[in-house]
Amino acid sequence: TQLLEQSPQFLSIQEGENLTVYCNSSSVFSSLQWYRQEPGEGPVLLVTVVTGGEVKKLKRLTFQFGDARKDSSLHITAAQTGDTGLYLCAGAVDSNYQLIWGAGTKLIIKP
Amino acid sequence: DAGVTQSPTHLIKTRGQQVTLRCSPKSGHDTVSWYQQALGQGPQFIFQYYEEEERQRGNFPDRFSGHQFPNYSSELNVNALLLGDSALYLCASSFNRFTAGANVLTFGAGSRLTVL
Repeated sequence: TQLLEQSPQFLSIQEGENLTVYCNSSSVFSSLQWYRQEPGEGPVLLVTVVTGGEVKKLKRLTFQFGDARKDSSLHITAAQTGDTGLYLCAGAVDSNYQLIWGAGTKLIIKP
Repeated sequence: DAGVTQSPTHLIKTRGQQVTLRCSPKSGHDTVSWYQQALGQGPQFIFQYYEEEERQRGNFPDRFSGHQFPNYSSELNVNALLLGDSALYLCASSFNRFTAGANVLTFGAGSRLTVL
């Protein structure tokens, strides 16, 4: 059974601070996606990483895929209140149509 | 351009009843996936429909069934509801790219089901 473990489960920090969210597995994924979900809405895709060691930046958000394609991280620099939400990672395996999801990291940025 | 639309947004049922949830995919998308998201958890894959057939199914009992129509819209049916079926049911559409890694999913806002 493939599992994705996210940590921390919950994070509450002050605006302006930096943070990192982790997504780990013992399984290899062909790609990994990061989503953000706000209350009352569905998840929205932020980024897809495909190559081991790949780093992608989306403004203040930096995503990294582990060299072995078993783990990923999301780093937010100078967090803003608008970053508040549930951050989900989801892994894909070739020959499979479903995504394997982590349980999410609930992030609260306090003004 | 409308995204994924789901209905109803909220509903309350009692144990043993049946429910039907509906999903209209984003324009241009031909594949629909259904997910169950319990409170505080990540989504769990129920099944995916492509070309009006169930292409893959997650670890859900036969009480969960679905359908895809020629216009690509889809329904999720749950029979003999249990308390544990209370969750947010998400529909995601995509344009067929064969496997999950190549797909870009667009999610609807979900249908919140409460079973009493």
